Amino acid sequence: SQQGEEDPQALSIQEGENATMNCSYKTSINNLQWYRQNSGRGLVHLILIRSNEREKHSGRLRVTLDTSKKSSSLLITASRAADTASYFCIYSGAGSYQLTFGKGTKLSVIP
Amino acid sequence: DVKVTQSSRYLVKRTGEKVFLECVQDMDHENMFWYRQDPGLGLRLIYFSYDVKMKEKGDIPEGYSVSREKKERFSLILESASTNQTSMYLCASRTGWNEKLFFGSGTQLSVL
Repeated sequence: SQQGEEDPQALSIQEGENATMNCSYKTSINNLQWYRQNSGRGLVHLILIRSNEREKHSGRLRVTLDTSKKSSSLLITASRAADTASYFCIYSGAGSYQLTFGKGTKLSVIP
Repeated sequence: DVKVTQSSRYLVKRTGEKVFLECVQDMDHENMFWYRQDPGLGLRLIYFSYDVKMKEKGDIPEGYSVSREKKERFSLILESASTNQTSMYLCASRTGWNEKLFFGSGTQLSVL
């Protein structure tokens, strides 16, 4: 179930800068979700984007989905030190209950 | 807000012990999952339950079993703990197959 690819694997930026993370997948999907995980904790849901949607926003987060390229991106604008975490994409294949996880992008925001 | 509660945050057990990890969700979710997370390997699915008393093996079920006698509770059982089962265990639930997951805070299990 580990077929998602995220890049970069690690990203270090200064506070106030924007951070972009990408997720690529190989199958048709029902939806794609982004999660955040602080060190040693559970995953927290950020945004779910369905296969018929192209863009979604939530506060400082913007997610895009390009089904023709089988890719999604997560943009965090005006980053804060508290955004330091690992970010994962998770998606379910069309017609399947199975979930596939990316290995995550580790974001460090330097104050 | 949905709450997914895992019974222990940290657990230390000895090799050969039988270990129970409990997960309870409070929103009548149909689906529940157990994952383990290891550095460099990401999250791997151990077992999945889509309804009471129903279960399906995930990618790495060997050495584990599960129980779902009530809708809100999904238990992961390590029949005879081994050192290679030292890991972070994460429980998750969702209302349906096309909906978002809610995760518990995780249980860091160390088997000595």
